[in-house]
Amino acid sequence: DTEVTQTPKHLVMGMTNKKSLKCEQHMGHRAMYWYKQKAKKPPELMFVYSYEKLSINESVPSRFSPECPNSSLLNLHLHALQPEDSALYLCASSPQTGASYEQYFGPGTRLTVT
Amino acid sequence: GENVGLHLPTLSVQEGDNSIINCAYSNSASDYFIWYKQESGKGPQFIIDIRSNMDKRQGQRVTVLLNKTVKHLSLQIAATQPGDSAVYFCAEKENQGGKLIFGQGTELSVKP
Repeated sequence: DTEVTQTPKHLVMGMTNKKSLKCEQHMGHRAMYWYKQKAKKPPELMFVYSYEKLSINESVPSRFSPECPNSSLLNLHLHALQPEDSALYLCASSPQTGASYEQYFGPGTRLTVT
Repeated sequence: GENVGLHLPTLSVQEGDNSIINCAYSNSASDYFIWYKQESGKGPQFIIDIRSNMDKRQGQRVTVLLNKTVKHLSLQIAATQPGDSAVYFCAEKENQGGKLIFGQGTELSVKP
């Protein structure tokens, strides 16, 4: 199984809502990532988890809260988002965080904040 | 058809022609490079990678060339097909840490 799955595929939420994005991989990878991607732009790194511990936070606002319950799962909790947070949120995984490891991406969750 | 760096983000080629997509990377400490293909509505899909101790690597219909002297990476696609239409991103990675830095991307359009 070389797949990263993400749910939901689409999400519409108001600025006062609380929602969560979910990501799962069963490749035995020990590094997992969240990226944000705006239309026609490259993915921007948000968070990196290595062996279930947060290793990189790219100065992401606290309204985004990542969680790694176990080595296969990665969540992104959303609260009090702004319309400019509307984007495609991509999850990725790799065997480890070092160089020479490609990252496998999921299909993304298309988030719209109203 | 050939695209140069960030100034020509769209590349249009005829089906059957070869395509060349170029990328200038920024960090001389990067020692691993990847090309991803992203189709509309999908996540980036791995195409080919190359380590900094190599200058060329070939896959099926694709070749990646690395010139460390000028910090330049290119992706060559042979006999381009309509299914190759997508946005192509190069990405660089430092030896330490988990950060993958993406280039701005090039949109490849294949005319039948």
